[in-house]
Amino acid sequence: AQSVTQLDSQVPVFEEAPVELRCNYSSSVSVYLFWYVQYPNQGLQLLLKYLSGSTLVESINGFEAEFNKSQTSFHLRKPSVHISDTAEYFCAVSDQKGNQGGKLIFGQGTELSVKP
Amino acid sequence: GAVVSQHPSWVICKSGTSVKIECRSLDFQATTMFWYRQFPKQSLMLMATSNEGSKATYEQGVEKDKFLINHASLTLSTLTVTSAHPEDSSFYICSAQQGAGNTIYFGEGSWLTVV
Repeated sequence: AQSVTQLDSQVPVFEEAPVELRCNYSSSVSVYLFWYVQYPNQGLQLLLKYLSGSTLVESINGFEAEFNKSQTSFHLRKPSVHISDTAEYFCAVSDQKGNQGGKLIFGQGTELSVKP
Repeated sequence: GAVVSQHPSWVICKSGTSVKIECRSLDFQATTMFWYRQFPKQSLMLMATSNEGSKATYEQGVEKDKFLINHASLTLSTLTVTSAHPEDSSFYICSAQQGAGNTIYFGEGSWLTVV
């Protein structure tokens, strides 16, 4: 079984400041890792994912996450945030034996609040 | 990109009644659909996995007789909350996948309030 822990439930930050949203996981098998974003009153959107290869993955809107196997972490970072990044961010894992990302285990979520 | 639509977005029902939530894949055939439940300020919890044409697989602790899932076609899955109670009030969200190994797309979610 897998589990995901997002260490911060809320992260307030000023616009243009850097941000890191932390995610740690536990699993007895190899996993795929995901970050999803949920804007108010909307569904989830995939932000980025790690399946294999380079441990640093990037999204089109400036976010990046690095898979660290030894620390079982997949922290999400952005060097300069915008007001529009305000949302709930979820880290998720799925085991590699199943369908790709089919059955996801989610963390508790981190509410990113960007202030002007 | 691919779109998954849920209906209704908001629903209020009386305690003891049943309510149906639809999840549709609008531009692809979803061989697998997943239903999640999200309580306020909490994470998403997988309720069940639904493959087209077969019975849903429920997660431990989810009452299959209470949360009826039907996936009769490749573009539609329904979740029916039977004999709803106030504790069933939650945000229900579905996701859909076009075959193993493909990207998962999430619906917008449905808010259920049972009064």
